[in-house]
Amino acid sequence: DAGVIQSPRHEVTEMGQEVTLRCKPISGHDYLFWYRQTMMRGLELLIYFNNNVPIDDSGMPEDRFSAKMPNASFSTLKIQPSEPRDSAVYFCASSPTVTEAFFGQGTRLTVV
Amino acid sequence: DQQVKQNSPSLSVQEGRISILNCDYTNSMFDYFLWYKKYPAEGPTFLISISSIKDKNEDGRFTVFLNKSAKHLSLHIVPSQPGDSAVYFCAASGHNDMRFGAGTRLTVKP
Repeated sequence: DAGVIQSPRHEVTEMGQEVTLRCKPISGHDYLFWYRQTMMRGLELLIYFNNNVPIDDSGMPEDRFSAKMPNASFSTLKIQPSEPRDSAVYFCASSPTVTEAFFGQGTRLTVV
Repeated sequence: DQQVKQNSPSLSVQEGRISILNCDYTNSMFDYFLWYKKYPAEGPTFLISISSIKDKNEDGRFTVFLNKSAKHLSLHIVPSQPGDSAVYFCAASGHNDMRFGAGTRLTVKP
């Protein structure tokens, strides 16, 4: 397996635009996590899914953020409209259980 | 509400010496603890873990200690090597939840 695959690796967008981050988890993993890494707050859990169902989205900053997992092999994190303070590295991770998580390489988002 | 805290944002040690990274947690429901290592432009990778039924787990140069009563764990690296320079994240899991600390940037000087 190629591991967790995220796209794009880098995204630069203008304030107000919609941004969609994509993730393909490792096959067979029942859990999928979205994290955001910033200098100030480290790795923040935004949302996680179990068997494609959102379990805890309390970390999603506000209504501008939404995440979906339409099937076991794909998830998206959408920001609409984007703001400069959303600039961060966004990581997707998957896990067979809620123990060892396998991370993708991340998407570096810059909102100007 | 930070359930997992790493109070030292950075640590610098000399090559060959011991590195000690600390982590505190607040949720007593956590029963499994992990350390991840992250290099620039890469995702975090799993390093070592410990279950709450143990107080120590060793893997080569890396040892994780768990003090349940204090809700504290630590990662010891000995001897430290320049290639260990990275950001280290502590994580705690339990009851279908996994939380990470803010990370500690370790620099090992030659």
